[in-house]
This record gives sequence, structure tokens and C-alpha cells, in this order.
Amino acid sequence: ETGVTQSPTHLIKTRGQQVTLRCSSQSGHNTVSWYQQALGQGPQFIFQYYREEENGRGNFPPRFSGLQFPNYSSELNVNALELDDSALYLCASSHGGLAGDEQFFGPGTRLTVL
Amino acid sequence: GDSVTQMEGPVTLSEEAFLTINCTYTATGYPSLFWYVQYPGEGLQLLLKATKADDKGSNKGFEATYRKETTSFHLEKGSVQVSDSAVYFCALLRDFSGNQFYFGTGTSLTVIP
Repeated sequence: ETGVTQSPTHLIKTRGQQVTLRCSSQSGHNTVSWYQQALGQGPQFIFQYYREEENGRGNFPPRFSGLQFPNYSSELNVNALELDDSALYLCASSHGGLAGDEQFFGPGTRLTVL
Repeated sequence: GDSVTQMEGPVTLSEEAFLTINCTYTATGYPSLFWYVQYPGEGLQLLLKATKADDKGSNKGFEATYRKETTSFHLEKGSVQVSDSAVYFCALLRDFSGNQFYFGTGTSLTVIP
């Protein structure tokens, strides 16, 4: 069984640029959640995708957007990057989009905005 | 709003010492409570969970009891090992709209031989 994978591992961008982060969910999972983890902080929920539809969103501006594909992999897109977007971005997959499902986390993508 | 407050770190213990990491929460309704662990360079791993009041979650010698009267979910281990060195996150999942985890800020634990 393949776990959750994310790419790239590290990324450096400059303010105003756009970035796309990718996540492959664990085999058999149809739900992907994205979190932002700033240095020294706990993860903050960005949004969740269930069967290719957004299924909940945290307190993040519209320049954070996402997609889920038919194979349940997912992308997180961030436009007009700001310095405060520098963080570890975590993807988690689960099965069913239901309350209380265990979420399996990937290793994350470390984004640095200069 | 919903939130989780964790004991500030970092925590440094000698091997075989007793561990307690405090966690309290604020939530409406009856959330599920979780402890996740993050080893260096890795993603979060579920350590244990409890879905209702008075439930005790346990795994790998770690335990935590869901205390509704004190809104707490403290993590304990009787005898820590060097391999337990990691960052520990307390989290809650709200009922009814429970697809959004609320995490605490994390507590870094270092166990020295």
C-alpha cells in the first residue's frame, strides 16, 4: 500500500509569483485535505476535496485554490505569493469524506517565499 | 471558535522518565480528540484518538483520556525512550461538520539517554 506522497519537497519562490503543489493520496482514499504549517505552529486547515468537489474550507483567502483529479490526486495553487505564505504545506488523505475519518499525512512541501 | 491549547515546550526528559503533555480544548458539541506525532523530516502520524467523553486512547505505551468536565486530553507515558523524541500535536475534530482538524501549536519532546 503506497502512502501519501507530495511534490516537490522544497520550493523557493519570490513575492507575487504563483506556485502549484501536488499530492498523491493513499491507495483507496478519495478525500484529500490541505494544511499550512507555519514554523513553530500547528497545521491550519486550508480546504478539503472529496470526489473532486471542495468539501469544506478554512480561513484562507481565494488566492489559495485547489483541484482534485479523477484518480483523487490533488493540487494546491497559491497565487500572488506573500512572505507569510512561507510554510510547510501538508496534504492528508482519508476515505469517505466523513467526520472522524483518520487522515494520513504526507511529508509535506516546504515553501519559502523571498 | 474551536481551539486547542497545548503545553508549551520544548520538553527534555531522561530516558525512562514519566511524560505528561497537557492539552485543553474549546469546542461546541462533542468533538473527537487526537494526538499526532511528527518525527523529524516526516509527516504527521496518528498516535491515538478518543471519540467520546471518558474514552481512553492508547498506543505504543502512550495514553490519553477524554475529560469533558475539564475539557482536557492530556498525553501520558510511563517510561519514555530516546525514540519518542518528536513533536506532539493535540487536535480536535468537530462533530457534525467534522472534516476540519484544529491543531495545537505542538510540543517538542527530546529524550536523552
